[in-house]
Amino acid sequence: KNQVEQSPQSLIILEGKNCTLQCNYTVSPFSNLRWYKQDTGRGPVSLTIMTFSENTKSNGRYTATLDADTKQSSLHITASQLSDSASYICVVTPNGSGANNLFFGTGTRLTVIP
Amino acid sequence: DARVTQTPRHKVTEMGQEVTMRCQPILGHNTVFWYRQTMMQGLELLAYFRNRAPLDDSGMPKDRFSAEMPDATLATLKIQPSEPRDSAVYFCASGLVYEENTGELFFGEGSRLTVL
Repeated sequence: KNQVEQSPQSLIILEGKNCTLQCNYTVSPFSNLRWYKQDTGRGPVSLTIMTFSENTKSNGRYTATLDADTKQSSLHITASQLSDSASYICVVTPNGSGANNLFFGTGTRLTVIP
Repeated sequence: DARVTQTPRHKVTEMGQEVTMRCQPILGHNTVFWYRQTMMQGLELLAYFRNRAPLDDSGMPKDRFSAEMPDATLATLKIQPSEPRDSAVYFCASGLVYEENTGELFFGEGSRLTVL
């Protein structure tokens, strides 16, 4: 069964600290993996997209990694800010199965405290 | 600044009432999605349109939900009659899809529905 699992479910860190969020998937065949940030009361916004051949991609203080062999991805946030408080959702797109077959994780709820 | 626009942002209604949610996708996008988000289930696909044609609505309870796209600038999701278990945030998203390769999805701000 194709699944996307994220950990931890929730995380609280101090402002300025780094953190890493995990996404493990069993989706196959694999096309790409996206990380979305969802602020409270808002819609998800794409942070990064990674294809099979990409190992790492950065977007400012956000760095995503992908290990297609172990089917794992991580999102690393450097020097966290209060505005990083949000849910982070991992979304995996299977290859060739249609745009309606996206697999969503249930997200990691990150809270950054001063 | 192109964005997906959803209305209403919040809706409180009583069980049995009809609810209609509206979405204006980003101009030029050829796909529109309706998702439902709950704390327990995360984001679930309800319906998917490509070039205004419904391609997948298998995620919707057919007896009470309906999704339409009367023109390229409007997608609607209707619930009739509504039930308390329909309480959730409903998101519309649009994007560009070519040959089953999904580009980035752009989500609206969501419609938070509470059915009493």
